[in-house]
Amino acid sequence: EPEVTQTPSHQVTQMGQEVILRCVPISNHLYFYWYRQILGQKVEFLVSFYNNEISEKSEIFDDQFSVERPDGSNFTLKIRSTKLEDSAMYFCASQGTSTDTQYFGPGTRLTVL
Amino acid sequence: AQSVTQLGSHVSVSEGALVLLRCNYSSSVPPYLFWYVQYPNQGLQLLLKYTSAATLVKGINGFEAEFKKSETSFHLTKPSAHMSDAAEYFCAVSGRAGGTSYGKLTFGQGTILTVHP
Repeated sequence: EPEVTQTPSHQVTQMGQEVILRCVPISNHLYFYWYRQILGQKVEFLVSFYNNEISEKSEIFDDQFSVERPDGSNFTLKIRSTKLEDSAMYFCASQGTSTDTQYFGPGTRLTVL
Repeated sequence: AQSVTQLGSHVSVSEGALVLLRCNYSSSVPPYLFWYVQYPNQGLQLLLKYTSAATLVKGINGFEAEFKKSETSFHLTKPSAHMSDAAEYFCAVSGRAGGTSYGKLTFGQGTILTVHP
């Protein structure tokens, strides 16, 4: 069964450094999402992406964040200058045009020191 | 605007007992409702969903949920708990203004289910 994959599974970085989190959505899906879950808190929506542009973003998704689909398979989340409060589990999800379900990847745990 | 409230951050049951995880939602448009399960060190897996067809929805692993518009609820149940059901469960809502099913999910805070032998 097709699945969403994410790399790396765990990323440790120093405050102020740039990180790129990578996702490979299910191949025929066209809608892509990033969510994050700070330890002990709710899963929060960050951004949705369709047709090579952001379709919706939350207040969390400020100028430090960006998303990109650099080729036909990857979907990336970049944090330009990480802060301690960016430490969280980041989930990628994808959705096809014939389904109402978002399929989630296993997540990347980001630790900012 | 949408929101989800899950009553009880921790629920503990005995193996073989009824599982009931509560979810109430608020939505300004007709909602799509989902239950996801997260096992330790894994991602979110869809258990079941309500998308305006039958109000009683059956999912994987023997779980089911009933959409009650009058109560704005979508509680998750399973008649007989199994040890393997121990996980964290998330209720989520998605709006469908304009008939679309695409858009952000708003999650509840999650309920950790513990199953005792």
